[in-house]
Amino acid sequence: DTVLTQSPALAVSPGERVSISCRASEGVNSYMHWYQQKPGQQPKLLIYKASNLASGVPARFSGSGSGTDFTLTIDPVEADDTATYFCQQSWNDPWTFGGGTKLELK
Amino acid sequence: EVQLQESGPGLVKPSQSLSLTCSVTGYSITSNYWGWIRKFPGNKMEWMGYMSYSGSTSYNPSLKSRISITRDTSKNQFFLQLNSVTTEDTATYYCASIVGTDYFDYWGQGVMVTVSS
Repeated sequence: DTVLTQSPALAVSPGERVSISCRASEGVNSYMHWYQQKPGQQPKLLIYKASNLASGVPARFSGSGSGTDFTLTIDPVEADDTATYFCQQSWNDPWTFGGGTKLELK
Repeated sequence: EVQLQESGPGLVKPSQSLSLTCSVTGYSITSNYWGWIRKFPGNKMEWMGYMSYSGSTSYNPSLKSRISITRDTSKNQFFLQLNSVTTEDTATYYCASIVGTDYFDYWGQGVMVTVSS
């Protein structure tokens, strides 16, 4: 299976820029997607196919990358962005998720 | 807007079957793809499988011998059955709609299932 590796946690101050990384154990083309999950809620799609902003998602969120290295960027970070962020690939079978990066605000 | 809602028992005994229902409103399950995902304690997420608009299915090979996804188009519902559960199947189970065969655009709120005697 394709393993997706994310940093476990990050802490940033409101107004700053944060980059959350996701590294794949093998190439996934551009078929990497990003979700935000807040405690007690279901995941919410943020970015699909590496760099496409999902409907209704603020332009503060952006995605980049291809192959094995991908980044979700939030600029500027707001207090409401406190959540866990997951990457997911759909290029290789079975689809897999990263372990999630918990974003905390200072 | 598409809305999904999972339902089913929150407690299942080991060796029994786990059965969940996903009720969909706002979109026909005879269009699009529909899937199940679970999130284990500790945050790990696993794609379990999906059903296409035509009723064909694809399953995670790690579950292939135990999983079945079916549907009732008259009720606009699809179902998850997972057989021979163990405590390792304790998780929050989500149903979701899938764009193409790539990403999950709408998710249900999730149902927590505990496997315990």
